[in-house]
Amino acid sequence: GNSVTQMEGPVTLSEEAFLTINCTYTATGYPSLFWYVQYPGEGLQLLLKATKADDKGSNKGFEATYRKETTSFHLEKGSVQVSDSAVYFCALRDTGTASKLTFGTGTRLQVTL
Amino acid sequence: NAGVMQNPRHLVRRRGQEARLRCSPMKGHSHVYWYRQLPEEGLKFMVYLQKENIIDESGMPKERFSAEFPKEGPSILRIQQVVRGDSAAYFCASSPLSGASTDTQYFGPGTRLTVL
Repeated sequence: GNSVTQMEGPVTLSEEAFLTINCTYTATGYPSLFWYVQYPGEGLQLLLKATKADDKGSNKGFEATYRKETTSFHLEKGSVQVSDSAVYFCALRDTGTASKLTFGTGTRLQVTL
Repeated sequence: NAGVMQNPRHLVRRRGQEARLRCSPMKGHSHVYWYRQLPEEGLKFMVYLQKENIIDESGMPKERFSAEFPKEGPSILRIQQVVRGDSAAYFCASSPLSGASTDTQYFGPGTRLTVL
């Protein structure tokens, strides 16, 4: 079956540091890949997505590139802010018509001054 | 355009009671998904519905849990005879039937169920 593996957290960084959160996946076919962010006490917000190999999703300074050869979708940001503190979830969706998302376990990011 | 609405936001039940969670999808969306998030864990898929149809319920526990999405009104996730292990955050998501964003699910704020 499908699965998503994320690096374990928490990840603690100083403001303006570089961020990488690793995500690898196992899936049949060619899934779409997503990063969602969850702020404390809130629901998930879509951060970015990529639907085919070599696509790069980007939003709010975050980027992730769909790497089919390494089955990865690592999240990066060049300079994190305190407001980026949240839990980040990598997810995939099977090809075909609308269907369920498979999530990783989430990575908590804490950014300090 | 209002987002996905869920209510109640917080629900407290005693063991053995019933819990009803409601979800109104975004306007124009006809697909609804329910996910459960246990403390400190990721989201697990429960069920996928379209209007009056259950498309995929492979993540639903076999006992006590049911879901519906009637022709009129919100989608309902119903948990009968709740137990402490049902305490979790339940998230609803919706996606459109057609268009460029059919693969993107938009999430509601969740219902946090506490079973005493």
